[in-house]
Amino acid sequence: EDKVVQSPLSLVVHEGDTVTLNCSYEVTNFRSLLWYKQEKKAPTFLFMLTSSGIEKKSGRLSSILDKKELFSILNITATQTGDSAVYLCAVGVVGSNYKLTFGKGTLLTVNP
Amino acid sequence: ETGVTQSPTHLIKTRGQQVTLRCSSQSGHNTVSWYQQALGQGPQFIFQYYREEENGRGNFPPRFSGLQFPNYSSELNVNALELDDSALYLCASSLLTGGADGYTFGSGTRLTVV
Repeated sequence: EDKVVQSPLSLVVHEGDTVTLNCSYEVTNFRSLLWYKQEKKAPTFLFMLTSSGIEKKSGRLSSILDKKELFSILNITATQTGDSAVYLCAVGVVGSNYKLTFGKGTLLTVNP
Repeated sequence: ETGVTQSPTHLIKTRGQQVTLRCSSQSGHNTVSWYQQALGQGPQFIFQYYREEENGRGNFPPRFSGLQFPNYSSELNVNALELDDSALYLCASSLLTGGADGYTFGSGTRLTVV
């Protein structure tokens, strides 16, 4: 059975701190790993990673995938209160027509 | 606000009842996937519909069923509701031939079973 594990499950930081969120996976026929931000209800897409070692960046957020060690990290620098959310990691597999297997998420709270 | 619309936003039902949740896809998307997200958990795949046919199913019992209409909108039906069915139900539309980064989630329906 495909498995995605995120850590930590929750994290409290102060504005300006840098955080690293972790995602490890065990799946057959890996195709892609995705990160989402969920503030209230609808998860919003952040990154999709398919190749090892290539960092993707968007503003203060960045992510990288290690297909040998089967994990990914999401970094957020200079955190702001608006970064407070649940961050979800999901994995897609070949042949599944984009069924995604999600981790439980990391609840990030950024205090002023 | 995303291009995917779900209704209703909240719903309270009694154990044993039946419920229908609705989803309007983003314009141009031909595939709809449904997910169940229990409190404190990640979303779990229920099933996917493409061209009005079920195109893949997760580990959910047959009392979870769906429909997709010619305009690509979709319904999720749950019969014989159980307390554990209480969750946020998310719909995501996409192109079957598109990448997974093309998934667009709706804001969900919060179902409470009492």
